[in-house]
Amino acid sequence: DSGVTQTPKHLITATGQRVTLRCSPRSGDLSVYWYQQSLDQGLQFLIQYYNGEERAKGNILERFSAQQFPDLHSELNLSSLELGDSALYFCASSVWAGQGLSGNTIYFGEGSWLTVV
Amino acid sequence: DQQVKQNSPSLSVQEGRISILNCDYTNSMFDYFLWYKKYPAEGPTFLISISSIKDKNEDGRFTVFLNKSAKHLSLHIVPSQPGDSAVYFCAATGSDSGNTPLVFGKGTRLSVIA
Repeated sequence: DSGVTQTPKHLITATGQRVTLRCSPRSGDLSVYWYQQSLDQGLQFLIQYYNGEERAKGNILERFSAQQFPDLHSELNLSSLELGDSALYFCASSVWAGQGLSGNTIYFGEGSWLTVV
Repeated sequence: DQQVKQNSPSLSVQEGRISILNCDYTNSMFDYFLWYKKYPAEGPTFLISISSIKDKNEDGRFTVFLNKSAKHLSLHIVPSQPGDSAVYFCAATGSDSGNTPLVFGKGTRLSVIA
């Protein structure tokens, strides 16, 4: 158990709909990351928040948005869903902002499986 | 443009033998490299890392080798055990100011056969 909690674990929704994925980081971690893993892709970095502020942006579509709340939990909002958005979405957390650097191990949650039909 | 490449999608090794997983990168700014391991229905977990100031880092049965001139790293698992069967992701970042996102490869599925 990494200490990173993601809900829901599985979600099936129709095209055009909007969903929200939720993440609670490990206790004490200020940085939250969102990654997408599609069938034929590796882990694609979407966005990072650090202590409530956006820190880094990756390949996140304009239809997607995220935020980190004062209690440090984070939500990833996916709207106008398309079939191609079906993927495993991981949330991860670390103590500070430097991604993956020594002493700042990134811990991943178990992921949220999104299926768009 | 894939900056971190794991060209072997899968690898099968007999129990007790050595597993060698390879990774190539293209971005010269990368100077810190990590390997993550992922079991089905779980998130990736950190395995081992190496800084570009070293060419080898060892942790028990796991050793990572870095060849900066070739922009290549490899993960050696000796001896391989059935419990090592998982997907292994190579990742890279730049340690400049911590602003460089961690870039992952597509992963290599290792199967250790008893």
